[in-house]
Amino acid sequence: SQQGEEDPQALSIQEGENATMNCSYKTSINNLQWYRQNSGRGLVHLILIRSNEREKHSGRLRVTLDTSKKSSSLLITASRAADTASYFCATDAESGGSYIPTFGRGTSLIVHP
Amino acid sequence: EPEVTQTPSHQVTQMGQEVILRCVPISNHLYFYWYRQILGQKVEFLVSFYNNEISEKSEIFDDQFSVERPDGSNFTLKIRSTKLEDSAMYFCASTVRGKARYTGELFFGEGSRLTVL
Repeated sequence: SQQGEEDPQALSIQEGENATMNCSYKTSINNLQWYRQNSGRGLVHLILIRSNEREKHSGRLRVTLDTSKKSSSLLITASRAADTASYFCATDAESGGSYIPTFGRGTSLIVHP
Repeated sequence: EPEVTQTPSHQVTQMGQEVILRCVPISNHLYFYWYRQILGQKVEFLVSFYNNEISEKSEIFDDQFSVERPDGSNFTLKIRSTKLEDSAMYFCASTVRGKARYTGELFFGEGSRLTVL
């Protein structure tokens, strides 16, 4: 299966600490995306990194991609209680000329105030 | 800001009943998707739709499921005869492109929670 798998499944930290989540996948990708999901809500796109990029920043988010290891990491710096959510990586799986973003199980992040 | 809207937000139905979940994608988007998420589990791809026809579908999307875009704006998912295991959150998503080399970000609705009793 092409879907990314996030690690750890759950992460609990104190406000102000950094949170690092990892994603591993099995076959070549064109891009990898990270999404956030608040409890009971829809997924919200955070950042997209292309296969020819190694690092990308957006505000307090830093994403790295290592295509040789087939892995990506999402770093949230100076976390806030409002960052509490589940975080998913999505890798694109080519199927019949279309690219279907497929998701893993997510990392559940809890940031304690 | 444009958004994907889904109705109903929650539907409770009896096993064996038909259910229709509705979605209004963002107006200039061309590719539409349904995903589902059983409570606490991964987000699973069901089907993608482009140019008024199914583009891809997963193994989950069996003969009990169908999608259509009846009027150029709504995008519906129908489950003909619901089973207990269909209980899940169903998400609609849309994006500008899906066949280009690089997919764009998906815009998700807030989901429709289906409870089958």
